Amino acid sequence: GAGVSQSPSNKVTEKGKDVELRCDPISGHTALYWYRQRLGQGLEFLIYFQGNSAPDKSGLPSDRFSAERTGESVSTLTIQRTQQEDSAVYLCASSYGAGETQYFGPGTRLLVL
Amino acid sequence: DQQVKQNSPSLSVQEGRISILNCDYTNSMFDYFLWYKKYPAEGPTFLISISSIKDKNEDGRFTVFLNKSAKHLSLHIVPSQPGDSAVYFCAASRGNKLVFGAGTILRVKS
Repeated sequence: GAGVSQSPSNKVTEKGKDVELRCDPISGHTALYWYRQRLGQGLEFLIYFQGNSAPDKSGLPSDRFSAERTGESVSTLTIQRTQQEDSAVYLCASSYGAGETQYFGPGTRLLVL
Repeated sequence: DQQVKQNSPSLSVQEGRISILNCDYTNSMFDYFLWYKKYPAEGPTFLISISSIKDKNEDGRFTVFLNKSAKHLSLHIVPSQPGDSAVYFCAASRGNKLVFGAGTILRVKS
């Protein structure tokens, strides 16, 4: 069975440009999470979607970050006016339900020049 | 505010011996703890978990111990194998969000 997939796997962009990262969760998983991992640090929670409930955006670092999810499928994380400190690996995870074990995708490596 | 800490950035162990990875947490409200393993250029892979109502959970070569009074958990791998070389993250949750430690790099030497 397919796991969580993310695209692109790598993205290099110039400071000030917008980027869009995509996540395809495991089919049937109602919960979807976005995390960020900066170099040498642990994973940092960004946002959480559960079914049709309002997303938990408490981890988004600034209003330049936003995310959407279509039903219980694909999610996109958008970073507007990228800054160099946005350079990180962005990881998506999904779980069968709230509080269940999270399964991660391979991540998108973002480099802002 | 680092709620989950892995104080050892790296650990080197001889093949066949025991690997012990440690993790401390500060939030007594956490009720579920997990260990993830991560290879380079891959996402973290779930390894083993433990609920706060237990003090030990075992799965093959992997055992997780939880000491709630000390707010400490550990992962034991025995016997260690070269393929276990990876970054190990502990994570804690109450509800939906996971809070991760910074990770420990484990190197198993053959």
